[in-house]
Amino acid sequence: ETGVTQSPTHLIKTRGQQVTLRCSSQSGHNTVSWYQQALGQGPQFIFQYYREEENGRGNFPPRFSGLQFPNYSSELNVNALELDDSALYLCASSNGQEVYGYTFGSGTRLTVV
Amino acid sequence: GENVEQHPSTLSVQEGDSAVIKCTYSDSASNYFPWYKQELGKGPQLIIDIRSNVGEKKDQRIAVTLNKTAKHFSLHITETQPEDSAVYFCAASKNYGQNFVFGPGTRLSVLP
Repeated sequence: ETGVTQSPTHLIKTRGQQVTLRCSSQSGHNTVSWYQQALGQGPQFIFQYYREEENGRGNFPPRFSGLQFPNYSSELNVNALELDDSALYLCASSNGQEVYGYTFGSGTRLTVV
Repeated sequence: GENVEQHPSTLSVQEGDSAVIKCTYSDSASNYFPWYKQELGKGPQLIIDIRSNVGEKKDQRIAVTLNKTAKHFSLHITETQPEDSAVYFCAASKNYGQNFVFGPGTRLSVLP
């Protein structure tokens, strides 16, 4: 089985620009969550999608938005980038059953200059 | 909302010794507690988890204990090896499938 893959691995953007990050869930997983991990800190929950619907959101502004597609892949979009958005963005997928847990991708390192 | 604290922030042990990392949580409604290991340049990897109806769980050299009354849980690694060196995160969730609140992490170094 394939794991969670994220693209791109690294990205540099200018303040004010928009960015789209992509995630392919592990095979059979219908739930995807996105996390932001600032340097030296634990991941912070952005939002979660289940069967193409957002079903949970953390304390992030509306300029952070997402999509989940019928094949359960997902996108994270960030508008009007700010310097503080520089972080590792992690995608995690699950099949919704406790025994398997969430599988994280390796993340996209976003740098805003 | 939920707040998870984690101690220590850094931990150095000699190879073969045990390592213990402790976490506390604030929301008594939390009922699922995973532990993740993150190596440099990689995403977090689930190493063990525990639900609130269980007090202890063990998987080979790794064990987790949970004290619901005190609202704290701990990760125990025995017979540490250099490949155990990584950053470890604890997390809490009110319901499996909902968002996790992560602790700030513990950088474990196992010295040969």
